[in-house]
Amino acid sequence: EAQVTQNPRYLITVTGKKLTVTCSQNMNHEYMSWYRQDPGLGLRQIYYSMNVEVTDKGDVPEGYKVSRKEKRNFPLILESPSPNQTSLYFCASGGDSLSGANVLTFGAGSRLTVL
Amino acid sequence: AQSVTQLGSHVSVSEGALVLLRCNYSSSVPPYLFWYVQYPNQGLQLLLKYTTGATLVKGINGFEAEFKKSETSFHLTKPSAHMSDAAEYFCAVSDLTSSASKIIFGSGTRLSIRP
Repeated sequence: EAQVTQNPRYLITVTGKKLTVTCSQNMNHEYMSWYRQDPGLGLRQIYYSMNVEVTDKGDVPEGYKVSRKEKRNFPLILESPSPNQTSLYFCASGGDSLSGANVLTFGAGSRLTVL
Repeated sequence: AQSVTQLGSHVSVSEGALVLLRCNYSSSVPPYLFWYVQYPNQGLQLLLKYTTGATLVKGINGFEAEFKKSETSFHLTKPSAHMSDAAEYFCAVSDLTSSASKIIFGSGTRLSIRP
């Protein structure tokens, strides 16, 4: 089954304790992205990657890091989490835009609470 | 720059009634337009998309949307609401010249269905 898998789905942590949210896709997509979803703000892009070893900032990158060492994996790293990073996080991957397939496949989400 | 405005953060309709969720976009080039649906505790999934061609687009679960260039709108409709339609709906825009990284999401509309 084609899917994007995120882990953990739920996490409660404390300020300053480094954490990583993993994301893996099995569709051989070149494009992957992280979003955060907050009430009333919709989805805001954190970082994205057009291919292996190619990453770029989205609209709200502060406090986050990513890496893309393999095509299938795109982990989101919070080096020193703060309470304002409490949010619902989504990983997504997408097909080749040249085919008109700017369609994203989303993971189920990771709800993070930073105390 | 592209943008999306969804009118109404919350819409409530009775079961069997017409569903109308409004979306207006701004784009300097011909747009690709999308509606995604997010069911409780799940990630977003594609409901329908408009790229080129027929302006009335049919999606899953009986939903459809019409691209109206003169009104810069892409409203989502369903003739008869079902309880299972309760979810959050996101309109999104990108364009032929940009990659998947440039998909812009609206702030979302939560649809509630009254018995």
